[in-house]
Amino acid sequence: SQQGEEDPQALSIQEGENATMNCSYKTSINNLQWYRQNSGRGLVHLILIRSNEREKHSGRLRVTLDTSKKSSSLLITASRAADTASYFCATDDGYGGATNKLIFGTGTLLAVQP
Amino acid sequence: KAGVTQTPRYLIKTRGQQVTLSCSPISGHRSVSWYQQTPGQGLQFLFEYFSETQRNKGNFPGRFSGRQFSNSRSEMNVSTLELGDSALYLCASSEQGVYGEQFFGPGTRLTVL
Repeated sequence: SQQGEEDPQALSIQEGENATMNCSYKTSINNLQWYRQNSGRGLVHLILIRSNEREKHSGRLRVTLDTSKKSSSLLITASRAADTASYFCATDDGYGGATNKLIFGTGTLLAVQP
Repeated sequence: KAGVTQTPRYLIKTRGQQVTLSCSPISGHRSVSWYQQTPGQGLQFLFEYFSETQRNKGNFPGRFSGRQFSNSRSEMNVSTLELGDSALYLCASSEQGVYGEQFFGPGTRLTVL
């Protein structure tokens, strides 16, 4: 079953606006990652945040993590048409499962209108 | 460094056939993971290889298998193909292993008729 559930499933904004997408997960984690997928560049790693971190920045990206609520958010500021893509969160399984693996969420489809 | 490469990019097979997909990781990366991506199930972990050994395996039937060579290149094999195996198969390599930053290849689009 999916560990992460992204919200919203789809988001449409205008260039220059900010985009916020959320990820909720079910079990304790050690880190959470965000990935972007578009037809041009495939699936690309954006940022990794550890469970003892609350916020992390990378360029126009800002990620927050609230382990008490088992949720994370990805904020893209000053969006561009090139940000149009699907965004996925990925979590580990707490390192305690029978199989160690990354579990990807269902994704948020972001469309940035020029 | 060159990125992760996968061959072939597209493949059409019929039910009952078998298929082999290939992945060349980023130089120096010993961990190679395989994922299946479908519209209905999303991205699902198949297995991870590290130094020629399968280290982790997802919840897929035994028809799905893989191997890794001494140069870290990996192959994935699916036998007795079913219509439901139609998917994008993604390979990812990592320095840190299955929990670290994954570098994905472009994928192989498999269509089973």
